[in-house]
Formats: sequence, structure tokens, C-alpha cells
Amino acid sequence: GQNIDQPTEMTATEGAIVQINCTYQTSGFNGLFWYQQHAGEAPTFLSYNVLDGLEEKGRFSSFLSRSKGYSYLLLKELQMKDSASYLCAVRVLDSNYQLIWGAGTKLIIKP
Amino acid sequence: GAGVSQSPRYKVAKRGQDVALRCDPISGHVSLFWYQQALGQGPEFLTYFQNEAQLDKSGLPSDRFFAERPEGSVSTLKIQRTQQEDSAVYLCASSYADRGNQPQHFGDGTRLSIL
Repeated sequence: GQNIDQPTEMTATEGAIVQINCTYQTSGFNGLFWYQQHAGEAPTFLSYNVLDGLEEKGRFSSFLSRSKGYSYLLLKELQMKDSASYLCAVRVLDSNYQLIWGAGTKLIIKP
Repeated sequence: GAGVSQSPRYKVAKRGQDVALRCDPISGHVSLFWYQQALGQGPEFLTYFQNEAQLDKSGLPSDRFFAERPEGSVSTLKIQRTQQEDSAVYLCASSYADRGNQPQHFGDGTRLSIL
């Protein structure tokens, strides 16, 4: 079967750094997406990884290790507006369009 | 518009009623997806369109669920004889292509409550 695991909830302090992990076990792999979703709003695209390594985009970075079935999203200089759920999704190789989604990690930022 | 638009934003219906949810994707996006999202969960795939063709409806929970995209643009998700377990947020997403780094762009969803 297809499985994606993320921590349910994390708490961090404004101005700090937080790492949100995602592990996956899927029948194939053709890329991993991270999305941010504020309560009651649409998921919005953050990053995409298909090769091993780190992709940096401003305060957000995403890392992938295909051999370990592992990714993380790193958020630096945390702001209160970063309080949201962060969803990890894998595109499975034999189904280019379909994404397998994790349940999301709810990130709470405290002042 | 600039993004994916869904309507209504909220829908309350009595058990047994039919409902229709609308999605207006980003102009030029070939692919359109419908998802169901329960509280605290990730989106669950329902169905996929490429232009007007419904290529995958494997995620539709029952034959009470029906989706169409007759002209390859606006899509409608219809639920007949609604049940309480249909209560959820229904998300629509569109994308320019289905390969590489092309992300899916989501609407704000329709929150459906069945009484």
C-alpha cells in the first residue's frame, strides 16, 4: 500500500527554526511536494523535490533522500503567520497525475 | 480570475437532498482534480479530468457522487441523496500539466454540512 507519515502537531517559537519531517512508502516515486494550508483556506504550493538534496526558497527549504524515503521542510526565522498545517504529498511513478497525501503537520508558533 | 474559484463556500443540506458544487479552474489549466478533506487530514482523491475527459473516478465513494466538466473548463461535483458521512470540505485543484514540477493549485473549498 501507499503510506506517508508526518508528525501530527509541532510547536515552535517565533524567530526560531523548525524542521517538519515526512517519510513515505509508496509503490513508486516521481517527486515530492510540500504545501501550506491555513485553517479554512486552500493548500498553497511551497516546494518540489525530485532529486536528492536541499532546495532553498527564502525562509523555507526542503530536503529529499530517495534512498531513505524521507523529506523534511525547514522553516527559518519563524513568524506568527507561519502557524498552519504543512502537507507532504508524493507523486507515484506509475500515475503521473495522482498525489498521495500525508495527513499534515499542524505547526503552532508561540511568541 | 487569478486562482481556482469554488462555490458555494459553505453549503448546508438536509439528509437526502441533492447538492452541486462548482469549480472554476485557472484559465488554461488542462487538468482538474476533486478532493475530499476531513478535519485534520490530507486531501483524499476523488476524481480527475484532463480537459473534458474524466480519466479517473476511482476515488468517488459511491454511485451517489458524479462529476462532470463538459467543456473542459468549469467542473461540477454532484452528490445525490446526501448522507451525514458526506459532510466534509470538498477541494478542487487544477494544474497546467501532470508531470515534473507542475504543482496543483487549489481553491478554498466548499464546506458541506449534512444535517
